Amino acid sequence: GEEVAQTPKHLVRGEGQKAKLYCAPIKGHSYVFWYQQVLKNEFKFLISFQNENVFDETGMPKERFSAKCLPNSPCSLEIQATKLEDSAVYFCASSPGEGVYNEQFFGPGTRLTVL
Amino acid sequence: AQKVTQAQTEISVVEKEDVTLDCVYETRDTTYYLFWYKQPPSGELVFLIRRNSFDEQNEISGRYSWNFQKSTSSFNFTITASQVVDSAVYFCALSDPIYNQGGKLIFGQGTELSVKP
Repeated sequence: GEEVAQTPKHLVRGEGQKAKLYCAPIKGHSYVFWYQQVLKNEFKFLISFQNENVFDETGMPKERFSAKCLPNSPCSLEIQATKLEDSAVYFCASSPGEGVYNEQFFGPGTRLTVL
Repeated sequence: AQKVTQAQTEISVVEKEDVTLDCVYETRDTTYYLFWYKQPPSGELVFLIRRNSFDEQNEISGRYSWNFQKSTSSFNFTITASQVVDSAVYFCALSDPIYNQGGKLIFGQGTELSVKP
């Protein structure tokens, strides 16, 4: 597709439950990024992929967060045993990654609320 | 380490005023990219501009203009004759230069602009 698609738009989980978010990058884009936006303003990088390979995972909380980008499937970000502080908007972005550096195209985000 | 600072948390102007949003960055690398994104109340992130570290020319796009000065590590954004539709949170960002073709973005804290009629 021509836009980055993220599902679901909203997700509500009780503390301790699992949450799974999905991202379909723009067709043909090689790079996928996940960011977490807490309290409306602060963005935190979580992880990036080059095709199905992890490219940079320096921002991932290792204990409860995991992510995958498998061929012919949407990318996913999974949070095991959610905590209140995981409440945030999670943005996915994709980038062509060819030749000269290209900008990242962002999806509409998934708002996760942990109760 | 890379860092982006947007010292103005909130700015409020009256329609038709000009407004400048400040962005100061820190990096030890000589090759890097700077960005501005707009986040309207609806929540999506809208790309506005990308600038590489070797191009210090100022850029103008309609009512928007950007001033990049390496000497002061600043990449400021000016909206001329502001309109109510410009109300949004604006983010300045710096790319991680280590991965030139796929670097993560380091965002500033954002500046919330409110344009009143």
